[in-house]
Amino acid sequence: DAGVIQSPRHEVTEMGQEVTLRCKPISGHNSLFWYRQTMMRGLELLIYFNNNVPIDDSGMPEDRFSAKMPNASFSTLKIQPSEPRDSAVYFCASSSWDSTGELFFGEGSRLTVL
Amino acid sequence: AQRVTQPEKLLSVFKGAPVELKCNYSYSGSPELFWYVQYSRQRLQLLLRHISRESIKGFTADLNKGETSFHLKKPFAQEEDSAMYYCALSFLAQGGSEKLVFGKGTKLTVNP
Repeated sequence: DAGVIQSPRHEVTEMGQEVTLRCKPISGHNSLFWYRQTMMRGLELLIYFNNNVPIDDSGMPEDRFSAKMPNASFSTLKIQPSEPRDSAVYFCASSSWDSTGELFFGEGSRLTVL
Repeated sequence: AQRVTQPEKLLSVFKGAPVELKCNYSYSGSPELFWYVQYSRQRLQLLLRHISRESIKGFTADLNKGETSFHLKKPFAQEEDSAMYYCALSFLAQGGSEKLVFGKGTKLTVNP
């Protein structure tokens, strides 16, 4: 298995543009997490899904952020409109019910909003 | 509320010196704690978990419920240990799903 796959790896965009980040979890994993990493705040949990259903989105900064998981093998995190303060590395991670808490992370998507 | 605190953002030691990365947690239930590591240009990955009581790459961490701490220790640091280290707390959240919250991380630099 190639592990959790995220795309794009890097994105540079201008303020006001829509950004869509994509994630393919490890096959068979039933939980999916989106995290944001910044120097100031470290790793913040934005939202997580269990069996494709959003369980907790309390970490989503504001209405400009939305996430979907239409099926077990794909999730998106969308920012519309983007702002410079959204610049960060966004990580997707997945886990299975028997992984005893271990999360498997993707390589991250580095977003720069100018 | 569940919280993980890593008081040191940066930690610098010399090769061969002991190293301790501090982690404190806040959780009213029975905690499950982890240390994750992110080496330069690599994915964040699990280093060790407290329930395993294992030593990985010479690192150990003991859960101290009285002090609500889970400090990561290594007696003799190596240059290849230089990385970002995150302490994490797993707990059962709303809906019965496991949720993992991280501290802000400590960047360890081991100097030659």
